[in-house]
Amino acid sequence: NAGVTQTPKFQVLKTGQSMTLQCAQDMNHNSMYWYRQDPGMGLRLIYYSASEGTTDKGEVPNGYNVSRLNKREFSLRLESAAPSQTSVYFCASSGNWDVNIQYFGAGTRLSVL
Amino acid sequence: DQQVKQNSPSLSVQEGRISILNCDYTNSMFDYFLWYKKYPAEGPTFLISISSIKDKNEDGRFTVFLNKSAKHLSLHIVPSQPGDSAVYFCAAGRRQLTFGSGTQLTVLP
Repeated sequence: NAGVTQTPKFQVLKTGQSMTLQCAQDMNHNSMYWYRQDPGMGLRLIYYSASEGTTDKGEVPNGYNVSRLNKREFSLRLESAAPSQTSVYFCASSGNWDVNIQYFGAGTRLSVL
Repeated sequence: DQQVKQNSPSLSVQEGRISILNCDYTNSMFDYFLWYKKYPAEGPTFLISISSIKDKNEDGRFTVFLNKSAKHLSLHIVPSQPGDSAVYFCAAGRRQLTFGSGTQLTVLP
């Protein structure tokens, strides 16, 4: 019963380094999402993929890129990390595009020094 | 401009009593609302939802009320239990969800 799996759980980067956050779901969901959570700000949508082969920007896409590798996997890439990208990142998936109950992974805690 | 607001960052209640968490929204186009619960070091988990065609939805100890004219929804937990201590997020929307900033609920034994 894995659901949504995110790797890594923790990461420390130096400013300017790059990294990719991985997300995989085993629920055969069409839609996948990347959020960031900052103190006092709730979850903000970075990018989403309504279905395999499509990706779209969310509320805060600057500094990020995504790849929907296949139906199961949706990765988030930071090309040149900045301290402002220090956050907790959550991946989610949903099986119904209209009644959008999303299921979340456990998160990746990222610190950029 | 926050379209979904949770104005109380924290709430403490005694075990066995009612917990009421509130959420306001500004976008009248929202027609679907959800509540999520989040424990530390875990992802949010879906709790309960409501469509705008309803004004109430119940699931066990959890009830969500929607007041469309006031653009306000609330989550009632009765009776509250220590295991309910968590951060609660309200969210609104269909294809993209907009989340509030969360309310930390502490249920005191």
